[in-house]
Order: sequence, then C-alpha cells, then structure tokens
Amino acid sequence: DAMVIQNPRYQVTQFGKPVTLSCSQTLNHNVMYWYQQKSSQAPKLLFHYYDKDFNNEADTPDNFQSRRPNTSFCFLDIRSPGLGDAAMYLCATSPTPTSGRFYEQYFGPGTRLTVT
Amino acid sequence: GESVGLHLPTLSVQEGDNSIINCAYSNSASDYFIWYKQESGKGPQFIIDIRSNMDKRQGQRVTVLLNKTVKHLSLQIAATQPGDSAVYFCAETVNTGGFKTIFGAGTRLFVKA
Repeated sequence: DAMVIQNPRYQVTQFGKPVTLSCSQTLNHNVMYWYQQKSSQAPKLLFHYYDKDFNNEADTPDNFQSRRPNTSFCFLDIRSPGLGDAAMYLCATSPTPTSGRFYEQYFGPGTRLTVT
Repeated sequence: GESVGLHLPTLSVQEGDNSIINCAYSNSASDYFIWYKQESGKGPQFIIDIRSNMDKRQGQRVTVLLNKTVKHLSLQIAATQPGDSAVYFCAETVNTGGFKTIFGAGTRLFVKA
C-alpha cells in the first residue's frame, strides 16, 4: 500500500543534542510537509517542499532545518533541541498543486520527540 | 491565523446518535475546506472536503456544511460509532502563491457505548 512512513516513532534526545527525524513516502507526491503538534493542539506547519523548492514558514525557528535529497525522502533536523521542542512531528505529502486533489494531505504516523 | 489552545473542546455522544462538530474559519479567500480525523497516536486522516463555491457535500455517513456568510463549517456524522472517537480538525486551504493549509483548533469526540 502506498503510504507515508516516519522513523523512528519515538525519539528521546538530550537538551542541545542534534536530532534528525526521517520521513519517506511511496505515493510519489511532489509536496512534502513537516508539522509540529503539541498536546491538544492543531498541527503547526514548519515548512514544506514543492519538489526541491524549500518553503519555510515565517515563524519557524532557525533551530529547525530540513533536507529533501530525493522525491521519496525528507528529513527534519533540530540543531539544538530545547525542552519546548518536545512534541509530535508529523510528515505529510500531497500531490502537485496542478492536480485535482492538491489540497488533500496524507500524513505519516508521527514521531514523538522527548527532550530530557 | 494558526490555532492556539491548551484544551480541546469535547463532544460526547451516545453510540447511534448523530454528531455535529463545528468550526469557525478565518480567511474569506480560502479555496477548500477539509475535515481530518486524528486517532490517538496516529497522524490526521482525510475525511471529506468541500470547495468554497459549495455549501454542502455528502460522503459515507458524513456531511460537511459550509456557511461563508458567517465563516462556519460543520461536520455531521450519522449513526456515530465507537470507531468515530477521535479528534477532528477542520482545515482551510489558502492560495498564498503556493497553497497553505491552516488547521483549526480541533474537537475531541467521545462515543459512549
């Protein structure tokens, strides 16, 4: 089945220690997104890629970076995690904006990040 | 704008009853409105969408109503089942050069057996 996969599902890191979360997709979608979701809150968009074009949200801290080496993979790097970065990180994909259902996003199961 | 909140509104319904989940959106220029369902420990899952030029759309057991006059969106679930228990988010998609999806605050639905 075509899907969005996130690894690991649970990640524990130490305060200030860089961490990388990964996402892969078999949907061959052009657009990939990273969201941060804190407890009882809506997902908050951090950035997205349209193919290799990177689009950062204005309020995403510089501490968060992303890489997309190819269509299938996308990484979220947190350079110096703080306690406030503990959250669920969701990866999502959507078809190209010129397709009929560009607005429908397919989410992975998320990676829950704990910062100690 | 983005939703901020520490406590999710909660709706509790009896199994078999109909559920209505409401959402207020912010941007008059939104093109599409979408409902997502998020079960515990999972990512959001697309349920149904409605384009801004429509006021009603029906799916299997679900109906979405859009009232642009008051910027209100609702999701109706018929014959609610225990498997419908989840957090429901409305989302609006705005053309900002690219398309950006903005999630609403979410509502937690509890279904009592």
